[in-house]
Amino acid sequence: AIQMTQSPSSLSASVGDRVTITCRASQGIRNDLGWYQQKPGKAPKLLIYAASILQSGVPSRFSGSGSGTDFTLTISSLQPEDFATYYCLQDFNYPITFGPGTKVDIE
Amino acid sequence: EVQLVDSGGGLVQPGGSLRLSCAASGFTVSSNYMSWVRQAPGKGLEWVSVIYSGGSTYYADSVKGRFTISRDNSKNTLYLQMNSLRADDTAVYYCARYWGGDALDIWGQGTMVTVSS
Repeated sequence: AIQMTQSPSSLSASVGDRVTITCRASQGIRNDLGWYQQKPGKAPKLLIYAASILQSGVPSRFSGSGSGTDFTLTISSLQPEDFATYYCLQDFNYPITFGPGTKVDIE
Repeated sequence: EVQLVDSGGGLVQPGGSLRLSCAASGFTVSSNYMSWVRQAPGKGLEWVSVIYSGGSTYYADSVKGRFTISRDNSKNTLYLQMNSLRADDTAVYYCARYWGGDALDIWGQGTMVTVSS
């Protein structure tokens, strides 16, 4: 199975900060990567798919990049509603695997 | 409105069985790839299973041989039959539409399964 790692595992930031989260795959996955946001007690929400395509309705401050094994999620200007846990997911092959998550909280 | 509603969770003893349901509205289950994802308490997300529109199915190694994904086209509902349940199956289970085989774009609210004696 393809292993996904994320860094950092957690971070503290302030409103307005630029935040970058990294996801790395144990082998090449082309651009078959998505990013999901989850708030406590809620279902995950799709932010980005195919590494860089913004899901409809998601604010443009979110962006994704990368291909192969290394990917990033960037929040250009952190907003209060962005404090959450972020997961990457690879669906290059089965089993689909998630990264362990990055918790973004208030500094 | 496009939505998924999960149900069927509860408390079950180790070795027992449970069937989860996921009722869809606003789109047709049989025309889409559909998936189950779970989350153990305080842990991250774990993919469980997928069913293709053509009927092919795939499972995580942790549930293979014990869980079965299926759908009822007449009810527009997805199911997850879970047998031989173990304590480490305790989790919130979410169904999700695996749109175009690219992204899990619509999620149910989740249903809690607790395996304990």
